[in-house]
Amino acid sequence: ETGVTQSPTHLIKTRGQQVTLRCSSQSGHNTVSWYQQALGQGPQFIFQYYREEENGRGNFPPRFSGLQFPNYSSELNVNALELDDSALYLCASSYPLAGGLRSQYFGPGTRLLVL
Amino acid sequence: AQTVTQSQPEMSVQEAETVTLSCTYDTSESDYYLFWYKQPPSRQMILVIRQEAYKQQNATENRFSVNFQKAAKSFSLKISDSQLGDAAMYFCAYAGGTSYGKLTFGQGTILTVHP
Repeated sequence: ETGVTQSPTHLIKTRGQQVTLRCSSQSGHNTVSWYQQALGQGPQFIFQYYREEENGRGNFPPRFSGLQFPNYSSELNVNALELDDSALYLCASSYPLAGGLRSQYFGPGTRLLVL
Repeated sequence: AQTVTQSQPEMSVQEAETVTLSCTYDTSESDYYLFWYKQPPSRQMILVIRQEAYKQQNATENRFSVNFQKAAKSFSLKISDSQLGDAAMYFCAYAGGTSYGKLTFGQGTILTVHP
C-alpha cells in the first residue's frame, strides 16, 4: 500500500507569481484535504475534495483553488502569491466511511517560500 | 466554531519514563472525533491515536493511550516508556461528525526526550 506523496518538496517563488502543488493520495483513498502550516503553528484547513468535487472549504481566499482527478490525485493552486503564503502545505487522504469518519493520512508536505 | 487548545508549548521526559500531553477543546457538537498526530523534524504528520466521542473506553495503541474526559472536554495523551524516537511536535486535532473530515488542530507541544 503506497502512502501519500507530494511534489515538489521545496519551492521558491516571488510575490505575485502562481504556484501548483501536487498530491497523490494513498491507495484506495478517494478524499483529499489540503492544509497550510505556518512555521511553529498547527495546520489550517484549506479545502477538501471528494470524487472530484470541492467538499468543504476553510477560511482561505478564492486565489487558493484546487482540483481532483479521476485517479484521486489532487492539485493546489495559489494565484497572486503573497509573502504570508510562505508555509508548509500538507495534503491528507482518507476514505469516507458511511456512519463514521476515516482517519486522514498525511504526505510529507511541500515547503513554499515566497520572496 | 470549534477550537482546540494545547496549553503546554514544550514538554520534556527522560527516556523510559512516562509523560502526559494536555489538550482541551470546545464544541457544541455531540458527534466528533479526536486525534493525536506526531510531527517529527522530517515534517511528515503521523497519526498516533484516535478517539470517537461516542466511545466511553479510552483508546490505546501500544505505548500510547488517551484520557478522554468528555464532560470536561479534555483529551490528554500519555506516552509510556518514552523512547528517543518519540521526540517530535505533537498536535491534538478535532473533527466534527458532520464537518466532512475537516481537522482543527491545536498549536502543538514540542516533546523532548532526554537519554
